[in-house]
Amino acid sequence: AAGVIQSPRHLIKEKRETATLKCYPIPRHDTVYWYQQGPGQDPQFLISFYEKMQSDKGSIPDRFSAQQFSDYHSELNMSSLELGDSALYFCASSTGSYDGNTIYFGEGSWLTVV
Amino acid sequence: AQSVAQPEDQVNVAEGNPLTVKCTYSVSGNPYLFWYVQYPNRGLQFLLKYITGDNLVKGSYGFEAEFNKSQTSFHLKKPSALVSDSALYFCAVRDMRVAGGGNKLTFGTGTQLKVEL
Repeated sequence: AAGVIQSPRHLIKEKRETATLKCYPIPRHDTVYWYQQGPGQDPQFLISFYEKMQSDKGSIPDRFSAQQFSDYHSELNMSSLELGDSALYFCASSTGSYDGNTIYFGEGSWLTVV
Repeated sequence: AQSVAQPEDQVNVAEGNPLTVKCTYSVSGNPYLFWYVQYPNRGLQFLLKYITGDNLVKGSYGFEAEFNKSQTSFHLKKPSALVSDSALYFCAVRDMRVAGGGNKLTFGTGTQLKVEL
């Protein structure tokens, strides 16, 4: 079965640079979520989109922005990168507005800021 | 706000023995509860969920979870542990704040399960 696809899987950036992460949800999934997981920590919610509109917002820094496109893929843009942004970034997707639907996660994108 | 707590950072169990990973929740209204597993440097894999109905929920890889409303718990269980079950387990609760989709999962702090021979 198709899963959530994230790219790139790994990237290394220098401080103050910009990074863009891409997420391709499971086919026919209309909702995308972004999470950040620091080393040894639980995933922290950043932002979500339902039907291409921002739905919920968590602890996402102002330096970060995201959007969901007409084909439902999503991109997370991170600017002025800081060392503390080094983390595993997950994208997840689900279908419909029913909260009982399962949210499926991608394998994550490892960001290292040096 | 919806939240879940995992009181144990680590659980050790011998292969073949039953395992339990604990989770308690705090929600307003009826909870939608989930368990995910994370292997090293990998994504989160869905194991099972409780939405409504039977309090005993069966999921992937032989795992099950028991929803207990009076104790506000949703413990993950497996009758016979395998070494390959060693991983990080997260309990999560679905937020129901926003109408119309996109409500997030809020995760517990995770429990590292170690199954030894």
